[in-house]
Parts: sequence; C-alpha cells; structure tokens
Amino acid sequence: DVKVTQSSRYLVKRTGEKVFLECVQDMDHENMFWYRQDPGLGLRLIYFSYDVKMKEKGDIPEGYSVSREKKERFSLILESASTNQTSMYLCASSFDPTGKLSYEQYFGPGTRLTVT
Amino acid sequence: QQQVKQSPQSLIVQKGGISIINCAYENTAFDYFPWYQQFPGKGPALLIAIRPDVSEKKEGRFTISFNKSAKQFSLHIMDSQPGDSATYFCAASMDTGFQKLVFGTGTRLLVSP
Repeated sequence: DVKVTQSSRYLVKRTGEKVFLECVQDMDHENMFWYRQDPGLGLRLIYFSYDVKMKEKGDIPEGYSVSREKKERFSLILESASTNQTSMYLCASSFDPTGKLSYEQYFGPGTRLTVT
Repeated sequence: QQQVKQSPQSLIVQKGGISIINCAYENTAFDYFPWYQQFPGKGPALLIAIRPDVSEKKEGRFTISFNKSAKQFSLHIMDSQPGDSATYFCAASMDTGFQKLVFGTGTRLLVSP
C-alpha cells in the first residue's frame, strides 16, 4: 500500500511564525506536490518537485517555499505565517513506473493549519 | 485556460438514485481527466479516470461520460449509497512530464438513507 504521511493533523501557529509542514512517502515516488484546500476553491497547487533538490512553482506559490533534500521527503515552509494562510494543506506523490505518465496522485491525510 | 469548472457545489440524492456531477474545461491540451473522492478527515483518492480517446468509462456503479467537442465530462453514480457521501473533485492534466493536475472546486454529495 502506498503511504503518504504528514507530520501533523492539526497545527496552530501565530502570525509571523515560520512554519514547517513535513510530508513523507514510502514508495520511492519521483513527483511530490503541495496543495492547499479551501471551501469553494478546491485544491490549488502551491509547489511541486519532480526530483531531489528540484522544485517548480504551482499556481499560488506566494508566501511559501519548499525543500526536497531526500526523495521521500518534501517540506512546505511558510516563511512568515499570515492569517490568510489558514487552510488545509495536502501533500501528494506520484510515480511513473513504465515511462508512460500514470498521473495518479496519492494524497496524505492533510494538515489543518490555523494561523492566529 | 487552466481552469476546470465544476457543478453543482453540493448535491443531495436519495439512496438508490443517480448522482450526476459535471465539469467543463477550456484547454484542449488536457488529455487526462480523473475524478477524486474525499471522505471527511482523509485525503482525496483516485476514483476513476478517462482519456479523450473514449466517450465513456465505467467501473462498477461509477461512470465517466466525456464529450470532447463540448469540452465537458461528468461523473455518474448509479444506485447511490449513503457510503458514497463524500466530496468529489474532477481534475484535468496534460502531458507536461510533471503530472500536474488542475482540480475543480469540488462537489459535496450527501446520499440520504
């Protein structure tokens, strides 16, 4: 079974704090993604990574950065948390075992972040 | 161009009825259209997916209908059950090499007993 785990289910932080959200996958997947999920807005891509130390901006990267030092781990960093970053954060991974793109993304359970 | 529009936002269906959720897209470069199902407290999980070379794909009670000329696709849940109550997201992707998905805004389905 593919497993994507996220370091916290719930997190409460103060405005201005630096926040780290960790994601680990155990299936040697090449691609990893960070989304935020907000009611009425669906899932919006923040950043993704297709290899160690590689990263690409998604649709809403402002206020976020990422780190991928090891293949199995992808971290999302909020440099200075703000109240408008209160959201559900979802990590996902995907792989391409045959060289033909499979597209299926496997999601973690999410971290509900509240910034006060 | 990158958006996927999903409707309705919420849906209540009686047990045994048919649930229908619709999505529309603009970018004709999209070549993969999955549906994800999300239960409360869980991350989304792939339910069923289709490519534009077919007009319909069926897996059990779940069917995707795809209309390439109209740039629309829909999810039909036959014989809806209370256990199908969840949030459903349509999505689209293109062969960019990075397997990025563009998601719709989600439909909250409640199947009443």
